[in-house]
Amino acid sequence: EVQLVESGGNLVQPGRSLRLSCAASGFTFDDYDMHWVRQAPGKGLEWVSGITWNSGSLGYADSVKGRFTISRDNARNSLYLQMNSLRAEDTALYYCAQGLNADNWGQGTLVTVSS
Amino acid sequence: EIVLTQSPATLSLSPGERATLSCRASQTIANYLAWYQQKPGQAPRLLIYDASNRATGIPARFSGSGSGTDFTLTITGLEPEDFAVYYCQLRSNWPPSLTFGGGTKVESK
Repeated sequence: EVQLVESGGNLVQPGRSLRLSCAASGFTFDDYDMHWVRQAPGKGLEWVSGITWNSGSLGYADSVKGRFTISRDNARNSLYLQMNSLRAEDTALYYCAQGLNADNWGQGTLVTVSS
Repeated sequence: EIVLTQSPATLSLSPGERATLSCRASQTIANYLAWYQQKPGQAPRLLIYDASNRATGIPARFSGSGSGTDFTLTITGLEPEDFAVYYCQLRSNWPPSLTFGGGTKVESK
């Protein structure tokens, strides 16, 4: 069974940094591209960033480009999102998702940016 | 940048009825179109990928169709558990990216 467990979400002040992690199990992690998708309270889904299986290609939404960095450690079956210069509009539930089509999702970790 | 527009925003139907949800792309796209269902407090669940393929374990009452700019998710015979928000999504492989529509809420009349 595919399991994705996000962690690292917290309340943080504007301008500060946060690092999210996603621990994967139940599948061969380095066979799959991975994504981060967020959902602000009461809003729709917004793609944040994606990474190919071998980290050969990275993609970012315009809203986070230059501030967020996606990475992965295939030896640890883990996906990461380094978030710098956080803004109030980054407040959301952050999901990691497996595969080209985001076939499977974790339950999310909440990031709140507020002073 | 391709924009996905979903309509209607809200669909009010009774159990047993047919639901037809639309997703329109701002330009012609490949059939890399997926549909998700999201219930309150839950993560999205993949229903359909590549426009018309049901994901593993998805009931046959869910079907996807379309090509070019116009895509449809049809739920034939709504079950009580189908009342939820539905999103369409377009994927790009290189670099990997996803584009989501704004969602359609299917609510009980």
